[in-house]
Amino acid sequence: DTAVSQTPKYLVTQMGNDKSIKCEQNLGHDTMYWYKQDSKKFLKIMFSYNNKELIINETVPNRFSPKSPDKAHLNLHINSLELGDSAVYFCASSRGPFTGELFFGEGSRLTVL
Amino acid sequence: AQTVTQSQPEMSVQEAETVTLSCTYDTSESDYYLFWYKQPPSRQMILVIRQEAYKQQNATENRFSVNFQKAAKSFSLKISDSQLGDAAMYFCAYKGVGGSQGNLIFGKGTKLSVKP
Repeated sequence: DTAVSQTPKYLVTQMGNDKSIKCEQNLGHDTMYWYKQDSKKFLKIMFSYNNKELIINETVPNRFSPKSPDKAHLNLHINSLELGDSAVYFCASSRGPFTGELFFGEGSRLTVL
Repeated sequence: AQTVTQSQPEMSVQEAETVTLSCTYDTSESDYYLFWYKQPPSRQMILVIRQEAYKQQNATENRFSVNFQKAAKSFSLKISDSQLGDAAMYFCAYKGVGGSQGNLIFGKGTKLSVKP
């Protein structure tokens, strides 16, 4: 059983399209995250939810909209995709916002043409 | 704001030898977590080792150990008896325990190559 699973693992799409990435964790964790890894491998937090409530919202264009239907799921929707959105997006979870390590999904590689 | 610095973009080690990856961080908090994550070519982020700042004893996980110097804000990773499977990007990360510091802040990574 995969602890943190993301779908799809690869997306290739045209500029201007809208796309979603789904994330689910079966660890019973309260907190979930979206990280973006750019072409230089730098990882940066985008959003964090704790028990379905947004607790971290870094400086991210409002074309990015996270949604947490329950504490086991955190989805990322991206509108009007741009070339600069090409990256690997990682979902992660932790027991709580201030406790312990993060467990990561396998990442979703988004390529915008 | 907290920052994490990895000053070695790339490192290389001979199989079976020992290598140390450097990490320094900046924070005004007294309690926090520090981690080393490994990212092999498969892209998966794998936790290698963790350290709670309040613990003076350095964490150890099999061939992986850390040298945690709280006053110097240094957190280096030592890999002993290096294996080919250790080749990966290694990220040092910081996590605060209060306020808005719940997220994991990463360094820019060190790419480790292992030579047979």
